[in-house]
Amino acid sequence: GESVGLHLPTLSVQEGDNSIINCAYSNSASDYFIWYKQESGKGPQFIIDIRSNMDKRQGQRVTVLLNKTVKHLSLQIAATQPGDSAVYFCAEIEEYGNKLVFGAGTILRVKS
Amino acid sequence: KAGVTQTPRYLIKTRGQQVTLSCSPISGHRSVSWYQQTPGQGLQFLFEYFSETQRNKGNFPGRFSGRQFSNSRSEMNVSTLELGDSALYLCASSFGGSGRPTGELFFGEGSRLTVL
Repeated sequence: GESVGLHLPTLSVQEGDNSIINCAYSNSASDYFIWYKQESGKGPQFIIDIRSNMDKRQGQRVTVLLNKTVKHLSLQIAATQPGDSAVYFCAEIEEYGNKLVFGAGTILRVKS
Repeated sequence: KAGVTQTPRYLIKTRGQQVTLSCSPISGHRSVSWYQQTPGQGLQFLFEYFSETQRNKGNFPGRFSGRQFSNSRSEMNVSTLELGDSALYLCASSFGGSGRPTGELFFGEGSRLTVL
């Protein structure tokens, strides 16, 4: 996994605005990517996934974009709500099975 | 449907001791994975078990071990504890199985280990 510092990047948005959280991945052989949300005191919760044969996938209020050329993943949250405040992690499947390699995480703070 | 249950939720140990953490997966899930979460290193994969067999292993020393029982419940053990083992240990379950993997893991709330 990646080495990360103690201070995660923070994104502060106003309630009702759209949020974009970015992630760079390192393994060009990865073919499956996932976004997780972790609220304080809880385990990570699955949000949405995308396979490498797609460049966009939409869920309820969320959209994941994949750019394989630059190995970049983004999560867009529409009409951000206070309940969206959490740490967001991207992850990639490195090999067969459920071995996830997580990114460093981004803190999302929603201002009311 | 009950979620993933981890016990104990909090524990304090001293250096040199050993610890066993327990995980009960969601009913019907056969894959159980363990992750370590620290402020410095983030979320790191420890190992995954499927049908009582270790299917994947992360880059942790041999002091970290695990097992899975026939009812899919899993335990992980850390021997000869070091200060750096202080972390949140997360268990995650999924259906598992053959074929392409699913990244949709269901995580428990974790066991927070403090080593003094």
